[in-house]
Amino acid sequence: DTGVSQDPRHKITKRGQNVTFRCDPISEHNRLYWYRQTLGQGPEFLTYFQNEAQLEKSRLLSDRFSAERPKGSFSTLEIQRTEQGDSAMYLCASSLVGTDQETQYFGPGTRLLVL
Amino acid sequence: AQSVTQLGSHVSVSEGALVLLRCNYSSSVPPYLFWYVQYPNQGLQLLLKYTSAATLVKGINGFEAEFKKSETSFHLTKPSAHMRDAAEYFCAVSGRIGNEKLTFGTGTRLTIIP
Repeated sequence: DTGVSQDPRHKITKRGQNVTFRCDPISEHNRLYWYRQTLGQGPEFLTYFQNEAQLEKSRLLSDRFSAERPKGSFSTLEIQRTEQGDSAMYLCASSLVGTDQETQYFGPGTRLLVL
Repeated sequence: AQSVTQLGSHVSVSEGALVLLRCNYSSSVPPYLFWYVQYPNQGLQLLLKYTSAATLVKGINGFEAEFKKSETSFHLTKPSAHMRDAAEYFCAVSGRIGNEKLTFGTGTRLTIIP
């Protein structure tokens, strides 16, 4: 049983560039969450999917951010026109609705640095 | 709205001593409560969770936490600290079915003194 995987693990980009991150959840998990963690802080909720449907988006998710889960399996998070304030760890988690009291299992994260 | 407050951003204990990490929550509905641990440059690993069954919850690596509704607390303890326990610990709260997103505290960095 493989856990949640994220790719890439690290990304350095210049301000104004677009970046895309991928998350592969635990097989058959129907919920997928994205969180952002800045230095010295706890993770903050960004958005989540149940299967293909994006059910909630945080106000933190500006228009420059978009997330998809086209086939209800992997998900992508794209940031357009990156800003230095986007530098953070982006965490993905998955869970299975209806079992295990909705425990979320986290991936290793993608660390983004915007220069 | 839900929130958690972790008292003490840094805690240091000697190896073999009691570990106590504090978490207080605020929730308008009966909460689910969680403790996660994060090692450097890694994601979060679930230590334990409270979901309205037993108020004393046992987790991995010898940790446990007690849900106290009257005190709105969910403190994490371990009787005897080990060097490998050095990490960042996060308390989190979520609602029940239909509101499962996690709201995290700001974390407590645990240092173990040899």
